[in-house]
Amino acid sequence: DTAVSQTPKYLVTQMGNDKSIKCEQNLGHDTMYWYKQDSKKFLKIMFSYNNKELIINETVPNRFSPKSPDKAHLNLHINSLELGDSAVYFCASSQRTDTQYFGPGTRLTVL
Amino acid sequence: GDSVTQMEGPVTLSEEAFLTINCTYTATGYPSLFWYVQYPGEGLQLLLKATKADDKGSNKGFEATYRKETTSFHLEKGSVQVSDSAVYFCALSLRNFNKFYFGSGTKLNVKP
Repeated sequence: DTAVSQTPKYLVTQMGNDKSIKCEQNLGHDTMYWYKQDSKKFLKIMFSYNNKELIINETVPNRFSPKSPDKAHLNLHINSLELGDSAVYFCASSQRTDTQYFGPGTRLTVL
Repeated sequence: GDSVTQMEGPVTLSEEAFLTINCTYTATGYPSLFWYVQYPGEGLQLLLKATKADDKGSNKGFEATYRKETTSFHLEKGSVQVSDSAVYFCALSLRNFNKFYFGSGTKLNVKP
């Protein structure tokens, strides 16, 4: 059983398009995160939700909008995609601030 | 502010060499400390953790000791294998402040 899953695994799209990435966790955790990893492997937190409530919203363009329909899901919607959005996006979950469990990542390529 | 600093890579070693990856932290309160590993093409996974001073985390031959006096959590392995080639991330969490911080990652290349 996959603990944290993301879809799609790869996403190739044109500049200006709108896309979504979905994340689901079956660990019963109360906190979920979105991270962006650049080509140098630097990991930057974007958002964190606790029990469907936004608790961390780092400085990211407002083209990025997270949505948490329930505790087990945290989706990321990106409007008007730009070249600089190309990266690997990771979803993670944890029980409060204990160990984070990561999904396999979504490699986004904007052409 | 709270942060994690780890040595820059890449670190290149021959198989069976001794590994140390340095990690130091700055934190208010009493953090828990973690090492995560990311194999090529995969997400991060927990390697080991320590939740209080002087605790030693260990897994798969890797060890790290939570040193409050030097604010460090260095990762060590006595004899690395080619399969240990990966990117290693040091991280801390602050329970009372609901915060989690990652270091910049250190790439390890192990050559046969």
